[in-house]
Amino acid sequence: DTEVTQTPKHLVMGMTNKKSLKCEQHMGHRAMYWYKQKAKKPPELMFVYSYEKLSINESVPSRFSPECPNSSLLNLHLHALQPEDSALYLCASSEGLAVYEQYFGPGTRLTVT
Amino acid sequence: GENVEQHPSTLSVQEGDSAVIKCTYSDSASNYFPWYKQELGKRPQLIIDIRSNVGEKKDQRIAVTLNKTAKHFSLHITETQPEDSAVYFCAASNSQAGTALIFGKGTTLSVSS
Repeated sequence: DTEVTQTPKHLVMGMTNKKSLKCEQHMGHRAMYWYKQKAKKPPELMFVYSYEKLSINESVPSRFSPECPNSSLLNLHLHALQPEDSALYLCASSEGLAVYEQYFGPGTRLTVT
Repeated sequence: GENVEQHPSTLSVQEGDSAVIKCTYSDSASNYFPWYKQELGKRPQLIIDIRSNVGEKKDQRIAVTLNKTAKHFSLHITETQPEDSAVYFCAASNSQAGTALIFGKGTTLSVSS
């Protein structure tokens, strides 16, 4: 299985809501990533987990809270988001940090109203 | 930190022509250089990558070249087809520092038939 899956595909939430994005891979990869992508822009790194520990946090606001329950799962908890947080949220995984090929999931299209 | 510049931002070619996209990087310690293709509404898809111990790599109609001295790498697509139309992102990372991918701003390739 060479696929990264993400749920939900689309999410609309109000600024007072709490929601979670989920990501799953079964390739035995030990590094997992969250990216944010705005239209016509490159993916922007948010968080990196390596061996289930947070390795990189790119100064992301605390209204985004990542969680790695086990080596196959990665969550992104959302709370009190702003309209400017509307974007495509991509999960990715790789065998290890940095050098290894990263495989992206299909993304969650988030709209904050 | 690493900075990746990508040119051109848009590229229009006729079907059957070749297309070349160029990237430069700033960190001489970077040693992994992938290229991603992203079709509209889809996930970034790894199409080819190169590591710093290799100068060129080819996969059917796609090739990547790396010049470590000049710190630039290029994507070459030959015999372009309409289905090659997409946004292409280059990226770079430094495995020794354990850094995540740094992406270029992307090139929108349009192949007209």
